Amino acid sequence: GAGVSQSPSNKVTEKGKDVELRCDPISGHTALYWYRQSLGQGLEFLIYFQGNSAPDKSGLPSDRFSAERTGGSVSTLTIQRTQQEDSAVYLCASSPAGTGLYEQYFGPGTRLTVT
Amino acid sequence: TQLLEQSPQFLSIQEGENLTVYCNSSSVFSSLQWYRQEPGEGPVLLVTVVTGGEVKKLKRLTFQFGDARKDSSLHITAAQPGDTGLYLCAGTSGSRLTFGEGTQLTVNP
Repeated sequence: GAGVSQSPSNKVTEKGKDVELRCDPISGHTALYWYRQSLGQGLEFLIYFQGNSAPDKSGLPSDRFSAERTGGSVSTLTIQRTQQEDSAVYLCASSPAGTGLYEQYFGPGTRLTVT
Repeated sequence: TQLLEQSPQFLSIQEGENLTVYCNSSSVFSSLQWYRQEPGEGPVLLVTVVTGGEVKKLKRLTFQFGDARKDSSLHITAAQPGDTGLYLCAGTSGSRLTFGEGTQLTVNP
């Protein structure tokens, strides 16, 4: 079956511009996560959606970052007024439920470069 | 803030050698997962360990969860070039995963 997909795969933008990154989770998965990964490093948690509950936004690094999940499926991560330090790979993952014993299935990521 | 420290950060070995990667924390986790990530792809789950002292084997990979559920290790026997990748440990607490910084393993033919 289809896995988690993300678009675009690569995005180059100028400093100060806004960007939108899209995530299509696996159908039926109720949990969706966004992470940020710098080159060769671990994953930094950004935001977590679980069903219709209020999202856990505690990992968002600044108010320039926001995310939505429409209809419990597709999610969009928006970065406003991008800065060079925002350059990273943004990974989305979905899960049948919350964490614990449930595997997170990751998409291939969007590589964002801010020039 | 819960932190997971992985060591070593980089490891380059020859095919056929054995290796161990460590994941340590001062915090207790309800479970711990190990992922492997290849360039240009997202991490893929290898194993989840739940019980303190638990040992799980996946072919040539052996995973152990510490008795106090604060640390874990991954041992690879007779490493092969196909084992090359970034190995990440992640601890579960509530609804979130906390990831270590990763160990970049290179197995040379």
